[in-house]
Amino acid sequence: QSVLTQPPSASGTPGQRVTISCSGSSSNIGSNTVNWYQQFPGTAPKVLMYNNNERPSGVPDRFSGSRSGTSASLAISGLQSEDEADYYCAAWDARLNGWAFGGGTKLTVL
Amino acid sequence: QVQLHQSGPGLVKPSQTLSLTCAISGDSVSSNSAAWNWIRQSPSRGLEWLGRTYYRSKWYSYYGASVKGRITINPDTSKNQFSLQLNSVNVEDTAVYYCARGPGVLSPWGQGILVTVSS
Repeated sequence: QSVLTQPPSASGTPGQRVTISCSGSSSNIGSNTVNWYQQFPGTAPKVLMYNNNERPSGVPDRFSGSRSGTSASLAISGLQSEDEADYYCAAWDARLNGWAFGGGTKLTVL
Repeated sequence: QVQLHQSGPGLVKPSQTLSLTCAISGDSVSSNSAAWNWIRQSPSRGLEWLGRTYYRSKWYSYYGASVKGRITINPDTSKNQFSLQLNSVNVEDTAVYYCARGPGVLSPWGQGILVTVSS
């Protein structure tokens, strides 16, 4: 049972816009910034978004993030086949004094 | 560019100790602005933060509740690396183990090592 709640799956067709939600509590998302990680099979997670809505260099602006209250979301516009991956949200949890992760969302590009 | 490279055995017997090392290049384990983390991933538990160590005039180590009492994370300044020791392992500790640099955001991550607990 992950601390942060994500839908297990999401899907869309090429060119569509998809959003992935992440729900937490006052001790994590409600008081700390949210990061998003992208993971391809057999590889380590890689940061896709940090500080709620900042993209590391090299991440296309098709990806955007937002946070409101104790929830966050990741949006992918102009969906492409190479976006098919697992996506995880994460936030520091002050009550746990550690990182809290979502259970991950498997994105399928139809 | 910071890179992390993990090493250690992929098979550990039940009740024994799991030991992994994460070698750092492009940064220092003694950096006053970094924190060095261990995370594991399994189908049943997802991504699970295990703990971290960092240096701020002295060394600090903090551990996750799920493994507290069984875990030790130590820096090795002579080799610029940090290690994970998990005692009294059981089959539920079977997972891919990652190291990662923080704080603020976990980046980069090591390549991951699948550790299987089996007799």
